[in-house]
Amino acid sequence: DGGITQSPKYLFRKEGQNVTLSCEQNLNHDAMYWYRQDPGQGLRLIYYSQIVNDFQKGDIAEGYSVSREKKESFPLTVTSAQKNPTAFYLCASSRVADLLGDTQYFGPGTRLTVL
Amino acid sequence: AQKVTQAQTEISVVEKEDVTLDCVYETRDTTYYLFWYKQPPSGELVFLIRRNSFDEQNEISGRYSWNFQKSTSSFNFTITASQVVDSAVYFCALSELDSGGSNYKLTFGKGTLLTVNP
Repeated sequence: DGGITQSPKYLFRKEGQNVTLSCEQNLNHDAMYWYRQDPGQGLRLIYYSQIVNDFQKGDIAEGYSVSREKKESFPLTVTSAQKNPTAFYLCASSRVADLLGDTQYFGPGTRLTVL
Repeated sequence: AQKVTQAQTEISVVEKEDVTLDCVYETRDTTYYLFWYKQPPSGELVFLIRRNSFDEQNEISGRYSWNFQKSTSSFNFTITASQVVDSAVYFCALSELDSGGSNYKLTFGKGTLLTVNP
């Protein structure tokens, strides 16, 4: 089945540690995105990538880093510089990024808790 | 100022009732897209519908219907004869060019938590 997978579903880390969240898609989509969701809030864009080896900052990129070495993979690293890393992280992909109205499809999410 | 406003934070209904979720948006663009997504307790966002700014026809899909009115900048979502499985957070989103004018951006409302009680 085509889709987006994120692992792990739940992640616990100690304060001050970097952690990497995985996102893989087999939809052959060019564009991939990372969002953060806090309780009672909408989704906020962290980073997005329109093509392999290229990515742009979203609205809340500070304290995060990404890479896009393969079309199907877009891992997100939450660094120790991120002040409030505890949140639900959602990965998404779309066929292209520079097409208005292109639908984004989402993965199941990773819930990160920093102790 | 919010670009996408979902004024109803939580709604609770009894099964078989009809329920309407409101969405008001703000944009200066003449060409844009609107979306609705469903987020069940499992967490994954499920795409429901996409509507472009030039198509004001209402759409019906089974028990779901959408009312798009450009005059009031609204894109409301109605569930007819609600069921317990409809319980979820529903997000409205707007796709438009960002402030730099070079990239398209999807902006989400804060969501409406719908609880359908048996």
